[in-house]
Amino acid sequence: GAVVSQHPSWVICKSGTSVKIECRSLDFQATTMFWYRQFPKQSLMLMATSNEGSKATYEQGVEKDKFLINHASLTLSTLTVTSAHPEDSSFYICSARRQTSMWTQYFGPGTRLLVL
Amino acid sequence: AQKITQTQPGMFVQEKEAVTLDCTYDTSDPSYGLFWYKQPSSGEMIFLIYQGSYDQQNATEGRYSLNFQKARKSANLVISASQLGDSAMYFCAMSLYNNNDMRFGAGTRLTVKP
Repeated sequence: GAVVSQHPSWVICKSGTSVKIECRSLDFQATTMFWYRQFPKQSLMLMATSNEGSKATYEQGVEKDKFLINHASLTLSTLTVTSAHPEDSSFYICSARRQTSMWTQYFGPGTRLLVL
Repeated sequence: AQKITQTQPGMFVQEKEAVTLDCTYDTSDPSYGLFWYKQPSSGEMIFLIYQGSYDQQNATEGRYSLNFQKARKSANLVISASQLGDSAMYFCAMSLYNNNDMRFGAGTRLTVKP
């Protein structure tokens, strides 16, 4: 199988602080990882595409200075929500694509962020 | 850019019966993949089934089958013999061959009644 983990699964923080979310592919190498955001009762919205060793590609309307993405290795990508505010509260999900597969994305379990 | 449409916000089905969840898509790219994911209340995205744009036959995976009608640009999910554990949100998604990000439909909430 292909397992993707996310840490933490839950985070509650104060407004103004920064939060880092990790996404790891546990048993395969992922050249590309994706970060999604999901508000309650809504669909997943792609935030950015993260390629190992290069800068992330952000979707229109997503502030790259607000959501810092680093993909330093073939098994790890991180999303840092800087100076978080209550409107950043959401469910963040990452996915990873195998080097050997053009299509299949394997999703992490998601991280619920609550900013007070 | 690709677009995915799911027009059924909610569906109900009796246990052991079959149900069809609708999905239509729009793209001018000839190479693409279509996916269905299940999202239970825990939030995890569970991959169900995949259909490639050049695949001649409809995909099947156990109780799941994808009714792929290319000319109509539809990729409906059929769940046979529904079970109570099938109650969840279901998302249709699409990925282009030359642009690997995945776009999701709005989702359909399926409720299986005992």
